[in-house]
Amino acid sequence: DGGITQSPKYLFRKEGQNVTLSCEQNLNHDAMYWYRQDPGQGLRLIYYSQIVNDFQKGDIAEGYSVSREKKESFPLTVTSAQKNPTAFYLCASSPDRGGYGYTFGSGTRLTVV
Amino acid sequence: AQSVTQPDIHITVSEGASLELRCNYSYGATPYLFWYVQSPGQGLQLLLKYFSGDTLVQGIKGFEAEFKRSQSSFNLRKPSVHWSDAAEYFCAVGREDDKIIFGKGTRLHILP
Repeated sequence: DGGITQSPKYLFRKEGQNVTLSCEQNLNHDAMYWYRQDPGQGLRLIYYSQIVNDFQKGDIAEGYSVSREKKESFPLTVTSAQKNPTAFYLCASSPDRGGYGYTFGSGTRLTVV
Repeated sequence: AQSVTQPDIHITVSEGASLELRCNYSYGATPYLFWYVQSPGQGLQLLLKYFSGDTLVQGIKGFEAEFKRSQSSFNLRKPSVHWSDAAEYFCAVGREDDKIIFGKGTRLHILP
């Protein structure tokens, strides 16, 4: 079955370390997105990519970086510059620029200690 | 500015009772409209979507939503809730050539 796979489900890191969250899709979708979710704050867009080798900043891009070298993959790196990285991270994809709806992965819970 | 408002942060209903979750939007044109559901620690699952046509949309798990252009609303309804419906619900709007905008969510609690 087609879908989006986020790994790992849970991730623990020490403060000051960079960490990369994986997102892979086999839906042949062009666009991919990263969201951060904190209690009571809904979904906040970090980065998105509408085509391979291109991506744009979302609303809260500071302290994060991404790459889109393959259509199937859109990894997110949480850098040491991100002041409060502990959160639930969601990856999504869509067939085109977005208006037809997103398919979401099951998320990664990152805890920085 | 484009926005989505879910005025209720939390809603509590008894099992078997009817449910209505409110959603209002501000958008420059007739948008595409969505409702998603999220169980704790999980991703979002699409319940239903409206693109055009009949303004009453049927979705999965017995949910429906009605698009009211005059009120800029897209409220989600279910005639009889089950304990398994306890989750967070997100309304969202978009267009063919633009990203989706999500509301902040409504958490649904079910009383036994």
